[in-house]
Amino acid sequence: DAGVIQSPRHEVTEMGQEVTLRCKPISGHDYLFWYRQTMMRGLELLIYFNNNVPIDDSGMPEDRFSAKMPNASFSTLKIQPSEPRDSAVYFCASTSRGGRETQYFGPGTRLLVL
Amino acid sequence: QQQVKQSPQSLIVQKGGISIINCAYENTAFDYFPWYQQFPGKGPALLIAIRPDVSEKKEGRFTISFNKSAKQFSLHIMDSQPGDSATYFCAACQIYNQGGKLIFGQGTELSVKP
Repeated sequence: DAGVIQSPRHEVTEMGQEVTLRCKPISGHDYLFWYRQTMMRGLELLIYFNNNVPIDDSGMPEDRFSAKMPNASFSTLKIQPSEPRDSAVYFCASTSRGGRETQYFGPGTRLLVL
Repeated sequence: QQQVKQSPQSLIVQKGGISIINCAYENTAFDYFPWYQQFPGKGPALLIAIRPDVSEKKEGRFTISFNKSAKQFSLHIMDSQPGDSATYFCAACQIYNQGGKLIFGQGTELSVKP
């Protein structure tokens, strides 16, 4: 299995631009999580989906952030407009209902907003 | 009440020594306590986990000690090796009620000196 796939791996953009991060979960997994990692705040959950439906978005910092999961094999996290304080590493993770004790993380997208 | 507090922030241990990382939580509804290991440039990966109905779990050189009454748990790495140098995160969740939504500690950067 290829594991969780994220793209791009690195993104450099200017303040005010729209940023779209992409994630392909492990096939057969029905839970998908988006996390953000910074030195100051550590690893924090932004939103998670179950069967493509957003269940808990309480961690989404502002209305500038939005996430979608149009099908079981694809999810996006969008930031519009981006700000320098959004600079972080964004991880996607997936798990299955029967194996939710283990979340499998992707390699992350390192975002730098100038 | 959703926080998980982790200490120390960083740890330096000699090869062959014991590494100990501590975590504390407040929410007694948490029912699953995993530890994740993260190498630079990679996503976190599950290392070992414990449920509150046992006081200790051992897998190879890694042991979790769990104190339910004190609401504390710790990771012990015996015979620490340079290859163990990584960042370690404790976490907690309600594995069934909240889909395994992980609350992470701040992380401990472990360096094992040869």
